[in-house]
Amino acid sequence: NAGVMQNPRHLVRRRGQEARLRCSPMKGHSHVYWYRQLPEEGLKFMVYLQKENIIDESGMPKERFSAEFPKEGPSILRIQQVVRGDSAAYFCASSPAGTLGNYGYTFGSGTRLTVV
Amino acid sequence: AQTVTQSQPEMSVQEAETVTLSCTYDTSESNYYLFWYKQPPSRQMILVIRQEAYKQQNATENRFSVNFQKAAKSFSLKISDSQLGDTAMYFCAFMFPASQNFVFGPGTRLSVLP
Repeated sequence: NAGVMQNPRHLVRRRGQEARLRCSPMKGHSHVYWYRQLPEEGLKFMVYLQKENIIDESGMPKERFSAEFPKEGPSILRIQQVVRGDSAAYFCASSPAGTLGNYGYTFGSGTRLTVV
Repeated sequence: AQTVTQSQPEMSVQEAETVTLSCTYDTSESNYYLFWYKQPPSRQMILVIRQEAYKQQNATENRFSVNFQKAAKSFSLKISDSQLGDTAMYFCAFMFPASQNFVFGPGTRLSVLP
């Protein structure tokens, strides 16, 4: 089992470009979570998705950010028209259905986005 | 607002010594989970220890133990016999069962010195 796979590991974008971050959950996991870690800070929750559904997007910025978890394929976090303040590490985590607390909750190694 | 405070941005300890990392949190809920996660330079988030708030007994995992004081909303991590591989950022966090997402503190950078 390869764990939670995130790619790319590093991504550089110029201001105004789009960033697409991909997350493949662990095999058998149907829940995906995205977190953002600004430099020298803890992870901040962004969005919680199940297949084809957004369950909780209370941590997502209102503009330019969107997330999806289609029936087939990885979850995608999309940031449009990136700005320097979007530079951060973006982490994905996954868990199986019906889990409580953090049982089975597994983090990926993150994508470091740098906006130049 | 649900918050987690880690008042020690950086700490250091000599190899084989014991160190305690502090954490306080603020919530009005009574049922939740508490965690310590370790983040080495590889960025991987590694679960160190987990505590259910309804359990009075402090959790222990090998060299890692917690001091959970629910009334004081305090959840400190003690690392015994520190090893060089313990060098990392350590994050305190809690989770409500219904939400399935973590609230993390800002982290403590721990350096274990040879």
